[in-house]
Amino acid sequence: EDKVVQSPLSLVVHEGDTVTLNCSYEVTNFRSLLWYKQEKKAPTFLFMLTSSGIEKKSGRLSSILDKKELFSILNITATQTGDSAVYLCAVGLNTGTASKLTFGTGTRLQVTL
Amino acid sequence: EAGVAQSPRYKIIEKRQSVAFWCNPISGHATLYWYQQILGQGPKLLIQFQNNGVVDDSQLPKDRFSAERLKGVDSTLKIQPAKLEDSAVYLCASSFRQFNTGNTIYFGEGSWLTVV
Repeated sequence: EDKVVQSPLSLVVHEGDTVTLNCSYEVTNFRSLLWYKQEKKAPTFLFMLTSSGIEKKSGRLSSILDKKELFSILNITATQTGDSAVYLCAVGLNTGTASKLTFGTGTRLQVTL
Repeated sequence: EAGVAQSPRYKIIEKRQSVAFWCNPISGHATLYWYQQILGQGPKLLIQFQNNGVVDDSQLPKDRFSAERLKGVDSTLKIQPAKLEDSAVYLCASSFRQFNTGNTIYFGEGSWLTVV
């Protein structure tokens, strides 16, 4: 069975801290790994990773994939209260007739003043 | 560009009643997905359409859930009869083609269902 596991499940940090969110996976037919941010609405796309060791960066957020050890991390530097959200990791799979995303349960991040 | 549209946003029904959710994907997106997200969990794929054909419905509880995409654009997800455990957010999503490297999936804001 395909599995995507995120850790920690939740964390609380102070504004300005740096956080690292983890995503590990055990899947067949891996194609890519995606990170989404979910506030009280639709998940919004952050990054798609397909190659090991290549960091993707957008402002204070960055992410990297290790296909040998089967994990990815999402880093957020200088956190702000607006970063408070659930961060979802999803793995893109090929299933023969279809391609689909399998999600982890998410990491709930709360940034306090 | 307009995003994925869903309605209704919120619905409260009694168990054993029926409910239908509607989705209009991003214009030109051939692939449409319905996900179920139970509180505290990640989204789980229910059904995936490529144009108007089903390519994956392996996790759809077919005894009570049905979905269609008759003209390859809009889609409807129906639950009949509803159970308490169906309380969840139903997310519709679309992508230009079947998801693969380079094709991102875009989500609607979801339809929140509470079954009492």
